[in-house]
Formats: sequence, structure tokens, C-alpha cells
Amino acid sequence: TQLLEQSPQFLSIQEGENLTVYCNSSSVFSSLQWYRQEPGEGPVLLVTVVTGGEVKKLKRLTFQFGDARKDSSLHITAAQPGDTGLYLCAGVVGTSGSRLTFGEGTQLTVNP
Amino acid sequence: NAGVTQTPKFQVLKTGQSMTLQCAQDMNHNSMYWYRQDPGMGLRLIYYSASEGTTDKGEVPNGYNVSRLNKREFSLRLESAAPSQTSVYFCASSEGLARAYRQETQYFGPGTRLLVL
Repeated sequence: TQLLEQSPQFLSIQEGENLTVYCNSSSVFSSLQWYRQEPGEGPVLLVTVVTGGEVKKLKRLTFQFGDARKDSSLHITAAQPGDTGLYLCAGVVGTSGSRLTFGEGTQLTVNP
Repeated sequence: NAGVTQTPKFQVLKTGQSMTLQCAQDMNHNSMYWYRQDPGMGLRLIYYSASEGTTDKGEVPNGYNVSRLNKREFSLRLESAAPSQTSVYFCASSEGLARAYRQETQYFGPGTRLLVL
């Protein structure tokens, strides 16, 4: 089983602060995805990173895929209460199907 | 489009009882998945169906069976529920195109919350 470890597990910050969430593995992944989940709902895809070293920006969110395709980070600038949620990284495993291995998740709370 | 729908939304079972969780998607997707989510453990793949007519075990298949009834529907059955199966169950689907597997989006349903007493 290819494992993904996320850190921190919980993060509580004030509105306007910056934060970074990490997703690490000893395994190489074909690609890596970040999902966000709100209470009572299923995860929703935020971004997919495919190439080692790739950086993608989604408004105030910046996603980076490690050069060796074993790790990734999510950086949020000037966090807002609407960013509150569970952030999950997921590695694509296998070579022919989009099976995902998920990290444990980071529960982010942004206080007004 | 409703996307991925799951029924029921919530269920309480006694140990040993059986039940089937239903999942349907209206996006004409080839691949469908069943996950369970437990606190501090993220989502773990139970079973998946890469295409209609095929099913394969995921990370935690013990105690579960699945049926890909047709292209739209993928059900998960607990034959004899155990307290360890208390969890939130999510169904998901994706296009299932081999050439695009690295960038496929999985679309999740709202989940079924199962409590086994």
C-alpha cells in the first residue's frame, strides 16, 4: 500500500494569516490531487498536479508537486473563513486506472 | 444533472444485520468506486469498478460485496454488519478513460452515514 501522510492534522488560524499543508510519501505517484470536503458532503476536487516540480495556482491557493513526485504542498494566502474545511491529498496509483490513495486529511479552521 | 446520488443518507443497524447501499451516477461514467471514511484515516477504497461488468478489490474489501448493476449503478452490500463497519461511506465515479487516468476527476456523492450497534 502506498501511504500518504499529511501534516498538520489540525490547523486553526485567524483570518488573513497564511498557511501551508504538506503531503508526503515514500512512494512515487503518477499524479497527485487535492480535494476539499465540507461537513456532510463528499470531497470536491481542487487541482491535479502531474509533472514533478509543477506549481498550480487557484486564486489564493498555490499547489506544488515535488520534483521526485513523492510529495506535495498546499499554500493558502490570506486565509478566509470560507476556506474552512477538510483538505485531502490523494495520489493516483496504478498505470491504467484512476485509483486514489488518500492522506488522512488536514482539518482547517479559519476564525473571523 | 444530479451527479452522484446515494441512498440511504443515514442508517442504523444491529450487529449481524445486512443491508445494501445504493449509488447511481448520471454522467455516463465508466468507473465507479466505494470508499469508507473514518476519523483520522482519510478515505479508503473498498471496491471499484473500472468499467461495466468488472469489479475489483480495493484496500479494505473484507466484509463487503459489490454489484455493478449497469453503467449507472454500483451497490455495496454488508452481509453481516459489525461495529467496525460504522463509518461514512462514499460512492464516486469518473470517466474511466485509460488515456487520461492521471488527470481524471472523481465525483463524490454526499455519503451514507452508517452506525452498527
